[in-house]
Amino acid sequence: QKEVEQDPGPLSVPEGAIVSLNCTYSNSAFQYFMWYRQYSRKGPELLMYTYSSGNKEDGRFTAQVDKSSKYISLFIRDSQPSDSATYLCAMRAAGNQFYFGTGTSLTVIP
Amino acid sequence: DTAVSQTPKYLVTQMGNDKSIKCEQNLGHDTMYWYKQDSKKFLKIMFSYNNKELIINETVPNRFSPKSPDKAHLNLHINSLELGDSAVYFCASSQDRYNEQFFGPGTRLTVL
Repeated sequence: QKEVEQDPGPLSVPEGAIVSLNCTYSNSAFQYFMWYRQYSRKGPELLMYTYSSGNKEDGRFTAQVDKSSKYISLFIRDSQPSDSATYLCAMRAAGNQFYFGTGTSLTVIP
Repeated sequence: DTAVSQTPKYLVTQMGNDKSIKCEQNLGHDTMYWYKQDSKKFLKIMFSYNNKELIINETVPNRFSPKSPDKAHLNLHINSLELGDSAVYFCASSQDRYNEQFFGPGTRLTVL
C-alpha cells in the first residue's frame, strides 16, 4: 500500500465552480501536510503548508486536514482557467521525509 | 534571481551515454533533493543531502550518483543511460530536512 493515495483524475470543471481535491494516507504519524501546484512543463510550487488538523485559508484556497479519517483536502473557490494544473499533496511525520501523492490533473473550462 | 535552477533544461541522448545534470540554489538552504517524475506525474525521491551529507538514498540504480560540492549545489551524474531513465528530474531545496521544499524547473531527459 502506498503511503499517500491521490486520485489522478483528470478532473474537469466549469469556471467559477468549487473544486475539491483529496488525498488519503495510511500513516497516522503524519502531521505536516502540503499542497503543491504544478503547471505543465514546470516545477511544483508550494500552495499551502499546514500542521496537524484543522483548516487553513489563503485567498481562494482552503486546506483541510482530518487526521481521524487520515484525509486531507484542498478546496478552490471561484475556480479560474489559470487554476488548470496538476495538484500534488505531500505529507510527513515528525523527523521524517515527505511523501508525495501522484497528483490530480485539473482543468477549469472557461 | 532564480531560487532553484537546473541545467540543462532539456537533455536528449543515446542509450549507454553518461550525462550530468546540475542544480544550484541561492536560498541559503541546508538541504537539497533530487526527484524523478515519470510520465504519470509521480514524484519519486531519489537522494537528499543536508549540508553536503547524504541523508536519503532511495532504491535507485547505482548508475545514478549524486554529488554535492557545497550546500548550494547538488549535481546528478548518470552512467550508462537506459530507455527507462527518460523522465523529468527535479531538484529541490528546503531550509532544513523537515521544511517545505522549493523546486527547480526540471530537466527533461530523453534517452533514445
